[in-house]
Amino acid sequence: LAKTTQPISMDSYEGQEVNITCSHNNIATNDYITWYQQFPSQGPRFIIQGYKTKVTNEVASLFIPADRKSSTLSLPRVSLSDTAVYYCLVGATTGGGADGLTFGKGTHLIIQP
Amino acid sequence: EAGVTQSPTHLIKTRGQQATLRCSPISGHTSVYWYQQALGLGLQFLLWYDEGEERNRGNFPPRFSGRQFPNYSSELNVNALELEDSALYLCASSLVPVRGFVGQPQHFGDGTRLSIL
Repeated sequence: LAKTTQPISMDSYEGQEVNITCSHNNIATNDYITWYQQFPSQGPRFIIQGYKTKVTNEVASLFIPADRKSSTLSLPRVSLSDTAVYYCLVGATTGGGADGLTFGKGTHLIIQP
Repeated sequence: EAGVTQSPTHLIKTRGQQATLRCSPISGHTSVYWYQQALGLGLQFLLWYDEGEERNRGNFPPRFSGRQFPNYSSELNVNALELEDSALYLCASSLVPVRGFVGQPQHFGDGTRLSIL
């Protein structure tokens, strides 16, 4: 049973802001939301993590509504190098099995000039 | 700070053989995770080790096994290799998870590409 749902792919252009939304209707009280970026033939790279409201770092922002049933990764002013697969991961409790460690297929973001 | 290192980078085996993949975590990280990423698929969780013990296991047959050594490095062993085992095998490490949840960010190596002929 997949814990998260993301769009399979998205397109945008250089300089635009890109928002990728992840649905996680069964999120548990202790779950954190973590986003990763993966380039071909490389391991995923941590982007940002949050629990509620808004988190911002030097590369992205993460918006989490009050019900926490979804989250949105926001990439400001994307460039061609942001073309990658983005994964949303919702952390499970240690007693909840391996669901929280299932990345799913992610969102393939393609940035065009 | 050195990142997660995996060896070998590439590994070619034939059906029925056994493969051993190795992972060195970031210094100070005690948790090691293994994932399988087959072509066109997402990351499938295999195994999680912390402090030398297996903490959790994904939906894979018993011929996928591993261990974690006292220095927190880890091995993944795959016995009786099958064609569908061809994939990128990724290792990640993290600080010890806070008791009760798995939320620590994972830091990944660049994987071992296992090809079964």
